[in-house]
Amino acid sequence: KQEVTQIPAALSVPEGENLVLNCSFTDSAIYNLQWFRQDPGKGLTSLLLIQSSQREQTSGRLNASLDKSSGRSTLYIAASQPGDSATYLCAPNTGNQFYFGTGTSLTVIP
Amino acid sequence: NAGVTQTPKFQVLKTGQSMTLQCAQDMNHEYMSWYRQDPGMGLRLIHYSVGAGITDQGEVPNGYNVSRSTTEDFPLRLLSAAPSQTSVYFCASRRPGTTEAFFGQGTRLTVV
Repeated sequence: KQEVTQIPAALSVPEGENLVLNCSFTDSAIYNLQWFRQDPGKGLTSLLLIQSSQREQTSGRLNASLDKSSGRSTLYIAASQPGDSATYLCAPNTGNQFYFGTGTSLTVIP
Repeated sequence: NAGVTQTPKFQVLKTGQSMTLQCAQDMNHEYMSWYRQDPGMGLRLIHYSVGAGITDQGEVPNGYNVSRSTTEDFPLRLLSAAPSQTSVYFCASRRPGTTEAFFGQGTRLTVV
């Protein structure tokens, strides 16, 4: 069974900092990996999708990398803003199922 | 374009009652799924469907039924609610293959 671990569990940073969120997974046989954002009491918003053949994907201030062989992905957020405060979830996809970690809760302090 | 729509947003049930959580998508996605989210745990797959008339079990299917009569709708039925089914339920959809998944806003269910 795929196990997903996200480190750190919680992170508090001042506005403007660059930060890295880490995700590791135990089964490297994935089709892709998706990063989501979840605001309190809300649904999941897709941030980035990385295919298994890709090394990284960028969208605005966000950059996600994938090292499938070592079972790792990182989400890099540049110049963080208070509006980035949320829980970030990574989810490797093995075909019919996404597997989720418990996420990293990010607080960006103005 | 509404995306994935779940109803209701909140529901309180008594133990033993039954109910149906609704999920509809307007993106013509063949693949739909239901997850539950519990404190301290990642989202877990309950049931999924790869197209109309086709459903299969996920990781935690017990106590839930699904059917898929149309591409747009994928309802989740609780036959006899139990306190252990208190959770937040999310519906997701995507096209076949290695494509991006879209999630609904969730249904917060409390069973007392």
